[in-house]
Amino acid sequence: GENVEQHPSTLSVQEGDSAVIKCTYSDSASNYFPWYKQELGKRPQLIIDIRSNVGEKKDQRIAVTLNKTAKHFSLHITETQPEDSAVYFCAAGYSGGGADGLTFGKGTHLIIQP
Amino acid sequence: DVKVTQSSRYLVKRTGEKVFLECVQDMDHENMFWYRQDPGLGLRLIYFSYDVKMKEKGDIPEGYSVSREKKERFSLILESASTNQTSMYLCASSYLSQNTGKYGYTFGSGTRLTVV
Repeated sequence: GENVEQHPSTLSVQEGDSAVIKCTYSDSASNYFPWYKQELGKRPQLIIDIRSNVGEKKDQRIAVTLNKTAKHFSLHITETQPEDSAVYFCAAGYSGGGADGLTFGKGTHLIIQP
Repeated sequence: DVKVTQSSRYLVKRTGEKVFLECVQDMDHENMFWYRQDPGLGLRLIYFSYDVKMKEKGDIPEGYSVSREKKERFSLILESASTNQTSMYLCASSYLSQNTGKYGYTFGSGTRLTVV
């Protein structure tokens, strides 16, 4: 089955700096790579996702890059703000219509230092 | 917006009790999932279902079973609760639009189960 590794487990950055979180996956059949943000006590919320036919996707301060050959994808947050503090999860799965479920990384606790 | 509702936010149960966690979604999604979330382990898939009365084991099904009698409802059952099942349980549903190809997942708010 799929295996997703996520690094780092904790990331502390100064407000205004950029943050990068990296994930690798093992199953070449995976074609859907979402990122979730989970604030304390709340459900994971999708912040951005990318399909395998795209190498990069951007939404304001958030971008995701995908390297299918190397089987890794990354989340980039620029101009970080205090409200970016949360736990971020990457995931990999197949969106071909079946319900195989997503495989999640173990999470990155992002801390924005004022 | 899709709504995925989990019936209980917090539950405390005794060891050996049979526990039911309920999840309901309101958007006619085919696929539903149960995950458990533990610190340092991320979200791990327990069971999923792609249709009524259909179920598949995920990565950690031991000690759990599920029921999908109606499309909108997916129940997780702990046959005999144990302390190592103390965790946050998250339900999710997913959709795939045949027209747009758009795919997405929506999570419930979670049920924090404590087994004493």
